[in-house]
Amino acid sequence: QKEVEQDPGPLSVPEGAIVSLNCTYSNSAFQYFMWYRQYSRKGPELLMYTYSSGNKEDGRFTAQVDKSSKYISLFIRDSQPSDSATYLCASYPLRSGGYNKLIFGAGTRLAVHP
Amino acid sequence: DTGVSQDPRHKITKRGQNVTFRCDPISEHNRLYWYRQTLGQGPEFLTYFQNEAQLEKSRLLSDRFSAERPKGSFSTLEIQRTEQGDSAMYLCASSPGQGKETQYFGPGTRLLVL
Repeated sequence: QKEVEQDPGPLSVPEGAIVSLNCTYSNSAFQYFMWYRQYSRKGPELLMYTYSSGNKEDGRFTAQVDKSSKYISLFIRDSQPSDSATYLCASYPLRSGGYNKLIFGAGTRLAVHP
Repeated sequence: DTGVSQDPRHKITKRGQNVTFRCDPISEHNRLYWYRQTLGQGPEFLTYFQNEAQLEKSRLLSDRFSAERPKGSFSTLEIQRTEQGDSAMYLCASSPGQGKETQYFGPGTRLLVL
């Protein structure tokens, strides 16, 4: 079992829809959670960074973490064709004073059509 | 801030040849990571540098792989005697290394081994 599981999609939605992207994780030591967006043939771009359970909002994006069920979500409101990309969730365990190698999910491909 | 840069962006080589990739991190970022991403998968950690010191290497990094970061600035990743299974996107990321661990990724080097 992978430490971070993510449905690969593809997910196809009409422009303006609310998109829900989800990941589950198995390692209870994971404390920090990130969502990256990756356009085709480009490097990942950090979208959201959260710590602890709860919601974090940034413009049209909302990240949600539920540590009790080990479930993380990214919601995109008013989706645009420019949101079409692969969305990667990632996490790392809390380590004192050390570096942190990210553990990624496989990514969900999203297509927003006009 | 010019971001993380990688060179070359694309590399096609024949099996058995050696290849070298370069990563220039964001200036003053003392942490540098290499990841590998294959089609349909999320990035997987390869190795980590704190300044010039290589502090961890993944089991994915066979003895054909070597990485350096002389003087704690740019980094190189060399693959000797390439194999078709080495075909992947090689991503470099850097972080400031203080407090929140936000890793910024470069555009990647896409390697195809024929």
